[in-house]
Amino acid sequence: AQSVTQLGSHVSVSEGALVLLRCNYSSSVPPYLFWYVQYPNQGLQLLLKYTSAATLVKGINGFEAEFKKSETSFHLTKPSAHMSDAAEYFCAVRTQTGANNLFFGTGTRLTVIP
Amino acid sequence: EAGVAQSPRYKIIEKRQSVAFWCNPISGHATLYWYQQILGQGPKLLIQFQNNGVVDDSQLPKDRFSAERLKGVDSTLKIQPAKLEDSAVYLCASTGTGGTNEKLFFGSGTQLSVL
Repeated sequence: AQSVTQLGSHVSVSEGALVLLRCNYSSSVPPYLFWYVQYPNQGLQLLLKYTSAATLVKGINGFEAEFKKSETSFHLTKPSAHMSDAAEYFCAVRTQTGANNLFFGTGTRLTVIP
Repeated sequence: EAGVAQSPRYKIIEKRQSVAFWCNPISGHATLYWYQQILGQGPKLLIQFQNNGVVDDSQLPKDRFSAERLKGVDSTLKIQPAKLEDSAVYLCASTGTGGTNEKLFFGSGTQLSVL
């Protein structure tokens, strides 16, 4: 079975500060991992995805995430937060074989303080 | 490129009433998903279609929920009768072929409130 755990339902950072949103996964087979962002009143958008090519994945809007198998983690980072980054962020996992259901975490709401 | 279209945007009904949601995926996308997102939780898959066939409906409460995609394009999700715990945002998503590393394109969702 696959699942993801997002530590911290709410994260607040100052504008210009480092953003770190944590995600740990559980999967019995090699996973594909995703980060999606949901802005208010909008659908989810893909930020980035890990598909076993490179462990450091760069996404849109300056975000990146590193796949660490030893830690079963896929944390999302951005060096400098912007006000426009305020949104809800979801980590998701999918297996590389078999059923392709996407399992989402419970989400982390990011607040950026001016 | 037009995105995934969903309607209505909001719906308020009383428990035991019926409700239907509509989704039109991105043109050419063969795979369509319906997700339920309860407040404070991540989206949960209800049903996945490949063209007009059901791939996975294991999480769909079939005693009250039904979905169809008769012509393999747009889709409707129905709840009959609704319960209080059905209050959630219902998200529709689509992908080209449903491959496991493909990204999903999501609609803005339908927010359902059951009173």
